[in-house]
Amino acid sequence: DAGITQSPRHKVTETGTPVTLRCHQTENHRYMYWYRQDPGHGLRLIHYSYGVKDTDKGEVSDGYSVSRSKTEDFLLTLESATSSQTSVYFCAISEPGTSGRASEQFFGPGTRLTVL
Amino acid sequence: SQQGEEDPQALSIQEGENATMNCSYKTSINNLQWYRQNSGRGLVHLILIRSNEREKHSGRLRVTLDTSKKSSSLLITASRAADTASYFCAILTGGGNKLTFGTGTQLKVEL
Repeated sequence: DAGITQSPRHKVTETGTPVTLRCHQTENHRYMYWYRQDPGHGLRLIHYSYGVKDTDKGEVSDGYSVSRSKTEDFLLTLESATSSQTSVYFCAISEPGTSGRASEQFFGPGTRLTVL
Repeated sequence: SQQGEEDPQALSIQEGENATMNCSYKTSINNLQWYRQNSGRGLVHLILIRSNEREKHSGRLRVTLDTSKKSSSLLITASRAADTASYFCAILTGGGNKLTFGTGTQLKVEL
């Protein structure tokens, strides 16, 4: 998985509790992304980062926050988990391509989160 | 939505046959990418085609892009059981560094 790890790999939590998912890369890639994958929706972007301390919202950012204090780590936090946030979460990394835009993305193995 | 939409949603073929999946989108793009996802795993990048390219090959994969029709196709030739997976197209629009993924095509290759 291209030097990308996610932790935890599985988590069951209760509604209203805070949850933090971690993405760690050893590739020194500039861009990092958090997606969620749900049946019928494909992958939807939650937040992404284009450098240390530089983050931006994606398509489904409500209820999520992120932080990136080091190049290698990108944290996704659910401040108060809800059942609608039950999903599989994927982290991805990429580097700028020749055009300056992000090129192909490399994905982590995913975290399966269940909110009861 | 700028989301790529794959067609068909599901495809079942016999080993050795060719598999064709299509992707349509609604806006101008910088590039279009195809990914594969095996059950329970993360996505794996297959091929990237830029907006000024019309066709690319990689092994048994052939991708075409028609920007006038806002569509792309992925052809897998001589399919194998190991090609069984979900395939997603993703578009990179000109203004940023974010990919927008489609909902995928589930391919099953039977022996």
